[in-house]
Amino acid sequence: TQLLEQSPQFLSIQEGENLTVYCNSSSVFSSLQWYRQEPGEGPVLLVTVVTGGEVKKLKRLTFQFGDARKDSSLHITAAQPGDTGLYLCAGLTSGTYKYIFGTGTRLKVLA
Amino acid sequence: DTEVTQTPKHLVMGMTNKKSLKCEQHMGHRAMYWYKQKAKKPPELMFVYSYEKLSINESVPSRFSPECPNSSLLNLHLHALQPEDSALYLCASSELDSEQYFGPGTRLTVT
Repeated sequence: TQLLEQSPQFLSIQEGENLTVYCNSSSVFSSLQWYRQEPGEGPVLLVTVVTGGEVKKLKRLTFQFGDARKDSSLHITAAQPGDTGLYLCAGLTSGTYKYIFGTGTRLKVLA
Repeated sequence: DTEVTQTPKHLVMGMTNKKSLKCEQHMGHRAMYWYKQKAKKPPELMFVYSYEKLSINESVPSRFSPECPNSSLLNLHLHALQPEDSALYLCASSELDSEQYFGPGTRLTVT
C-alpha cells in the first residue's frame, strides 16, 4: 500500500516566521503535487514537481522534489496569515489515474 | 481556464431521499474523479472515470452511484444515505500523468 506521510500534522506560528513541511514515502512517484485547502472549499493546486531534485519557487513558497522522487518539501518564508490552511501533497504513479494523498499539515499563522 | 464547477454548494437530505451531485469541466480532461472528505482529513478517492468509463471504484457502497454522461460531466447519485455519509464531496479532473484540478465541493448533510 502506498502511503504519503506529512509532518508536522499541525503547526501554529507567528507572522514572519519560516517553516518547512515534509512529505515522505517509500514509493517512487512520477510527479507530486502540493495543494492548499481552506475549510469548506476544494484544494487549490500550488505546484507540480516532476524531476528528481527539482526546485520550484512560487513567491514566498519553495518546493523541492527529492532526488529519488520519494519525498518532497514545502518551505514558506516570512509566513503571513493568508498562508493559513490545510496543505496536502499528492503523488502520482505514472500510467495511472490514482493519486495518493498525504496525511495533511494544518498551518495557522497568527498576526 | 482551470475551472471545475460543482452544484449544489450545500445539500441537506433525509435518509430516504434521492439526490444528485453534479460536476462539470471544460478543460478537455479525460479523467474525472469523486472524492469524499471528512473534516480535518485528506480526500478519500471514491470513483475514477477515464474516457467516460468507470476505471476505479474504491469499494464504495452501492448507495452512491456515479454516472459520466459525457466527457465534460460527472454526476453522483445518492440514495438511502446514512448520517455518517455527511462530508464534503469533491470532484476533480485531470489528464493522464498530469495534475488534478478540484472543484469547490458540495457540503452534504444527511439527517
